[in-house]
Amino acid sequence: DAGITQSPRYKITETGRQVTLMCHQTWSHSYMFWYRQDLGHGLRLIYYSAAADITDKGEVPDGYVVSRSKTENFPLTLESATRSQTSVYFCASVGLREGGGNEQFFGPGTRLTVL
Amino acid sequence: AQKITQTQPGMFVQEKEAVTLDCTYDTSDPSYGLFWYKQPSSGEMIFLIYQGSYDQQNATEGRYSLNFQKARKSANLVISASQLGDSAMYFCAMREGIGQFYFGTGTSLTVIP
Repeated sequence: DAGITQSPRYKITETGRQVTLMCHQTWSHSYMFWYRQDLGHGLRLIYYSAAADITDKGEVPDGYVVSRSKTENFPLTLESATRSQTSVYFCASVGLREGGGNEQFFGPGTRLTVL
Repeated sequence: AQKITQTQPGMFVQEKEAVTLDCTYDTSDPSYGLFWYKQPSSGEMIFLIYQGSYDQQNATEGRYSLNFQKARKSANLVISASQLGDSAMYFCAMREGIGQFYFGTGTSLTVIP
């Protein structure tokens, strides 16, 4: 499938477990992002990556780990899940628009529940 | 300080009327980009419009236009001729520098028939 895909779409886990959310894009965009969306906060940036093997923290990185060994993949790992990490997670990439400027493309989201 | 502020939690508009959704931003970086997204109840994020900080003209995309007032640091979204399908959450966002993105808390728009 073309575009950005995320898996799983839904995940229920328990406190303390490790969880990895997958993100794959087919455009070879350099920049990729992970956000979480919570009521009252909009979307908040967790981590972003400028290229393979280059990652940097966003606004809310604590409790998360990312890696990017290949341009097309950008997995997000919760090393020891906590209830406060219950959220909807969006992966995104940025590419150039035909008319100029940037466009950020979003995946469909992963709804994660930590019990 | 909030990087992106959307002061209208909820807005209503009559079908076929125009509506303006407010967005102010805060940055000292001379190079930045401003985005608007639509999120319907199904949950996906849909890109609407983009404005670069150096763009001289206001961006337009079909029924969407961005009223960019750089000195006031505002980037309001104008939707003309509202349709029932425009009912959704709308998010303003800013890209600062090369990677940092900031989103507002969103405005819920309801289009009334």
